[in-house]
Amino acid sequence: QQQVKQSPQSLIVQKGGISIINCAYENTAFDYFPWYQQFPGKGPALLIAIRPDVSEKKEGRFTISFNKSAKQFSLHIMDSQPGDSATYFCAASGNTGGFKTIFGAGTRLFVKA
Amino acid sequence: NAGVTQTPKFQVLKTGQSMTLQCAQDMNHNSMYWYRQDPGMGLRLIYYSASEGTTDKGEVPNGYNVSRLNKREFSLRLESAAPSQTSVYFCASSDRSHQPQHFGDGTRLSIL
Repeated sequence: QQQVKQSPQSLIVQKGGISIINCAYENTAFDYFPWYQQFPGKGPALLIAIRPDVSEKKEGRFTISFNKSAKQFSLHIMDSQPGDSATYFCAASGNTGGFKTIFGAGTRLFVKA
Repeated sequence: NAGVTQTPKFQVLKTGQSMTLQCAQDMNHNSMYWYRQDPGMGLRLIYYSASEGTTDKGEVPNGYNVSRLNKREFSLRLESAAPSQTSVYFCASSDRSHQPQHFGDGTRLSIL
């Protein structure tokens, strides 16, 4: 119940295309869903986050779509660029008897020029 | 503005040796975290500190100890290193409880 399942493990997208990464969770006590971006040799950086009271949040080319009934959320990267090539992690946190943030396993995105 | 600073960046230890990983943040955050990152497993919380003087165990605390020296600094100690502790260790901080915002660039630790 504490897991966050992320897919795909890796993704190759052409420059200008849309990158889509999906995550699913079981525990309905989760109420905060962030996405992190990590470049090689660097720490993760908070990219965008959503709470379950909205179905979509957009920041620039990055959009989170949230489906509360399906317990799924996804990251869409519009007009993907080579500079977006990185590992992306979804996560979830909430009142789960510890409020700890649980991370997905990560998706390695490569954007071909 | 340095953000979250971790030292050292790389370290090789022999089994049974001890060492302390250092972390400092300059954003006046109350919450600080230690994570380990292993291939295919995302980030797993080792310890969390909500404020100076308080620490809580995370998912994988065995073999580790922590110390929240003051608001800025949060150290992670391996008392007797084991090969299973070979990993990349990240420190993080935030101004919100249990929601890490800023990460350091990690310590890459190999235990032989």
